Amino acid sequence: NAGVTQTPKFRILKIGQSMTLQCAQDMNHNYMYWYRQDPGMGLKLIYYSVGAGITDKGEVPNGYNVSRSTTEDFPLRLELAAPSQTSVYFCASSYSAGGYQNEKLFFGSGTQLSVL
Amino acid sequence: DQQVKQNSPSLSVQEGRISILNCDYTNSMFDYFLWYKKYPAEGPTFLISISSIKDKNEDGRFTVFLNKSAKHLSLHIVPSQPGDSAVYFCAPGSSGSARQLTFGSGTQLTVLP
Repeated sequence: NAGVTQTPKFRILKIGQSMTLQCAQDMNHNYMYWYRQDPGMGLKLIYYSVGAGITDKGEVPNGYNVSRSTTEDFPLRLELAAPSQTSVYFCASSYSAGGYQNEKLFFGSGTQLSVL
Repeated sequence: DQQVKQNSPSLSVQEGRISILNCDYTNSMFDYFLWYKKYPAEGPTFLISISSIKDKNEDGRFTVFLNKSAKHLSLHIVPSQPGDSAVYFCAPGSSGSARQLTFGSGTQLTVLP
């Protein structure tokens, strides 16, 4: 059981370039999330999805876009990369948001992104 | 506006002793609280949780205490082992909120052999 898979693990972008961070889960989870973690900081929610075709903004959505065409996949798109987007990005999934026993998030191993 | 604060960025303890990691929160809507553990180059993994209807939850060497009136929770690890060296995140949430968890900034625990 692979869980949550993120690709790539590392990426260096130039200012203004675009890229897509891939995320896939094989646990049939309805809920999926993108977080970023800056040095010395907690994880901040970028976007989330409660099911295929439904997405919503989190705490720090500016500069990013997402789509959820299938239950399994939740890609994160950076259109015009900026140095402020240098961070570690984590994708996560959960079964539902209906009670704390189900709230446990399963995380991917992260993508280290540098924008120079 | 930090809703969740972990005021100790780092903590060092001797192997076999107790580790106590603290977390304070301000949002009264939080009704469940999770702790995640993170090793370098890995994603966070779930460690232990507690509901607001309880004041203590124990799982092996790990115990979480919740003081709702003080809006404070703590994670106790007894006895501490070198493999426990990791970053620990406090992550409260509100039931039914699809936005999930609010993470603290983390505490780096180092257990010295």
